[in-house]
Formats: sequence, C-alpha cells, structure tokens
Amino acid sequence: KQEVTQIPAALSVPEGENLVLNCSFTDSAIYNLQWFRQDPGKGLTSLLLIQSSQREQTSGRLNASLDKSSGRSTLYIAASQPGDSATYLCAVPEYGNKLVFGAGTILRVKS
Amino acid sequence: ETGVTQSPTHLIKTRGQQVTLRCSSQSGHNTVSWYQQALGQGPQFIFQYYREEENGRGNFPPRFSGLQFPNYSSELNVNALELDDSALYLCASNSDIRTTEAFFGQGTRLTVV
Repeated sequence: KQEVTQIPAALSVPEGENLVLNCSFTDSAIYNLQWFRQDPGKGLTSLLLIQSSQREQTSGRLNASLDKSSGRSTLYIAASQPGDSATYLCAVPEYGNKLVFGAGTILRVKS
Repeated sequence: ETGVTQSPTHLIKTRGQQVTLRCSSQSGHNTVSWYQQALGQGPQFIFQYYREEENGRGNFPPRFSGLQFPNYSSELNVNALELDDSALYLCASNSDIRTTEAFFGQGTRLTVV
C-alpha cells in the first residue's frame, strides 16, 4: 500500500527566501508524481507533474525533482513571495488515476 | 476550455439526512474521481468513474455512492449522514483512465450538524 509523507508539516519564512519542500513515498513503482497548491478552504491547483522517466520539471519559480529509486521528490520555490502562502500537497497514483496524497506542508511567507 | 466545476460550494445538513454533490468534468475528460478532505489532512480517495462505470473504490462505506452521466459529469451521494462526514469534497477529472494529470474543482464544503 502506497504511503506518502511530507516534511516539514509547516514552514514560515521571510519574503525572498529560497525554500525546499519534501515528499517521500513508500512504493517506488510510480508512473508520475504531482504537486498541488491549496489555498484555505479551496480546491487543488496543479503546479507540476513529473513523469517517472523525468528527473525534474520547472514552471516559473517552481522546480520539482523526482528520485524514484529513493522514493523522494522535492519542490523548490525560488525567491518566495507572500502570495506563495498556501498548503502544498504531493500525490502519486496508486492505480489508474487514484491519487494517494501526503498531509501537506503549510507554507507562510512573511512580508 | 472550461475547468472542473462543483456545486454547491457550501452545504449544511442534519445528521441522518442525504446529500447529493455535483461535478462537471473538464472538457474532453472522461474520468472523474471523488475525494474527501478532512481538516488538516490530505484528500482521501472515495471512488472513480470511467465512462459511466465505477472503476475503483477507496475505504468508504456503501452509503457513499456515485453516478457518472453520458456527458461525463458526476454525482456523489451520501446517505444517512454522520457528523464525521463533515469535510471538503473534491472532484477531479482526467483525460483518460490511464495515469494522466488530474485537475480539481474548487470543492464542496459539507457541514453535518
């Protein structure tokens, strides 16, 4: 059974800092890994999808890496801004499109 | 191209009642999944529909049921509501049954009193 863990559970940083969010999964036989952003009480916004054959994926100030063999992914956010404050979730498919999520990292960027 | 839309956005029900939540999938998407997200936790998979057939179910009791219509929109029905059913219910759509990128709606906040 796939299990996903995210560390840290919460993070508070001053504006402008570069930061790293961590995601680990127990079963390395994954097809892809997806990072999401969730604002309080809202739905999920897809940030990045990394296919199992890829090592990393970039979108603007976001960079996600994937190391299948070690069961890890990191989300790197460059030059953080207050508008980046949200909960960040990673998810991997267990079968088909059934996603298994971590509990998320709550990020607060202080101005 | 329209995104995933859910209705209603908020709902308050009494314990023991029944509720129906609705989801319109993204244009061109034939796979819809439903998730329950309790406060402070990650979403938990309820079930998935592909071309009007249930295709996988998580660890939820039978009082959670669903439908998918020919236009690929979907409903989640919950009978005999319990206080623990209070959560954010999320709908996700995929372009295919194979492992593709998931797109989520804004969710329905259900409160059971």
